[in-house]
Amino acid sequence: TQLLEQSPQFLSIQEGENLTVYCNSSSVFSSLQWYRQEPGEGPVLLVTVVTGGEVKKLKRLTFQFGDARKDSSLHITAAQPGDTGLYLCAGAAPFGNEKLTFGTGTRLTIIP
Amino acid sequence: DVKVTQSSRYLVKRTGEKVFLECVQDMDHENMFWYRQDPGLGLRLIYFSYDVKMKEKGDIPEGYSVSREKKERFSLILESASTNQTSMYLCASGDWLAYEQYFGPGTRLTVT
Repeated sequence: TQLLEQSPQFLSIQEGENLTVYCNSSSVFSSLQWYRQEPGEGPVLLVTVVTGGEVKKLKRLTFQFGDARKDSSLHITAAQPGDTGLYLCAGAAPFGNEKLTFGTGTRLTIIP
Repeated sequence: DVKVTQSSRYLVKRTGEKVFLECVQDMDHENMFWYRQDPGLGLRLIYFSYDVKMKEKGDIPEGYSVSREKKERFSLILESASTNQTSMYLCASGDWLAYEQYFGPGTRLTVT
């Protein structure tokens, strides 16, 4: 069974600060997705990373896939209250079926 | 934009009732999924379907069944609702080639 561990589980920071959240596994994934979920809503896909070492930027968010495709990080620059939410990573197994393995999430709160 | 809709945002049912949760997607996706989300447990896959009339068990199928008679519609059935099925239920869809999943807004089900 593939497991994805996210850290930290909870993070509360002031508006304007930078932060990084992590998604780690001992398993290799063919791709990894990051989602953001707001209270009472479904997760919304932010990005997919596929190649080991890949870096993708989405405005103030920077996503990196580890060289060995076992881990990923999400860095937010100058956090804003609108970044508040539950951040989930999800990995697809190599040669696997369409199922994703989801991490347990990082709950981020940005304090104005 | 992909749109996934779920029949109800909030639902309250009594123990022993039969419950139907419906999900519709408008992107002609082959794959559809049902998850439940509970605090501390993350997203857990109940069932998924990769084609009309095809279904596969996920990680926690006990107490649930599904139906996919049309490509755009995937239903989750609780044959006899129990209090431990109180949860947030999320439907998602995805195409055949990508592992990206698109979620509906969720149904918060309370069984009393």
